[in-house]
Amino acid sequence: DAGVTQSPTHLIKTRGQQVTLRCSPKSGHDTVSWYQQALGQGPQFIFQYYEEEERQRGNFPDRFSGHQFPNYSSELNVNALLLGDSALYLCASSLKGLVDGNEQFFGPGTRLTVL
Amino acid sequence: AQSVTQLGSHVSVSEGALVLLRCNYSSSVPPYLFWYVQYPNQGLQLLLKYTSAATLVKGINGCEAEFKKSETSFHLTKPSAHMSDAAEYFCAVSVKGGKLIFGQGTELSVKP
Repeated sequence: DAGVTQSPTHLIKTRGQQVTLRCSPKSGHDTVSWYQQALGQGPQFIFQYYEEEERQRGNFPDRFSGHQFPNYSSELNVNALLLGDSALYLCASSLKGLVDGNEQFFGPGTRLTVL
Repeated sequence: AQSVTQLGSHVSVSEGALVLLRCNYSSSVPPYLFWYVQYPNQGLQLLLKYTSAATLVKGINGCEAEFKKSETSFHLTKPSAHMSDAAEYFCAVSVKGGKLIFGQGTELSVKP
């Protein structure tokens, strides 16, 4: 049973560029959440997708957007990259994701470096 | 608003010693609490979860945590540290809709 997978593993971009990160949830899961983890910090919630809609959003600017596909996979897009966007981006999946206390399973992350 | 505070950004123990990682939470409702571990260059792995069924929660790798409402704490303990336990540990609270709020993390070092 495959767990949560993310691609690519590493990515280097320059300021002002756009980036797309991808996530496939654990088999049977229908909800995907994205987190940003800056170096030396705990993960920060970006947003959550369920039934192909953004259901919750953290304190991130509109440059961060996402999408969920009918097969439950998800993309995170970041426009107009800033140096401060350099971080590990984690995808987490869960089942019936709007339920409080649902266990989330995390992928290995995508390391984004903005130069 | 719910929040999590982890006391001590770095904890160092000797191999075989007791591990104690501290976590305090702030929540206006009965919380769902989690401990995750992150090994270098990897994602997060769930160690254990509190859902109000029992105040003492046992997790993987010999870890356990005790929920103490009067102290708003959910400290993680492990009786005997192994070298392989060296990692970053995160305490988190689940808020409305399943979103997780994480603490800043505690880096555990294990000395031989």
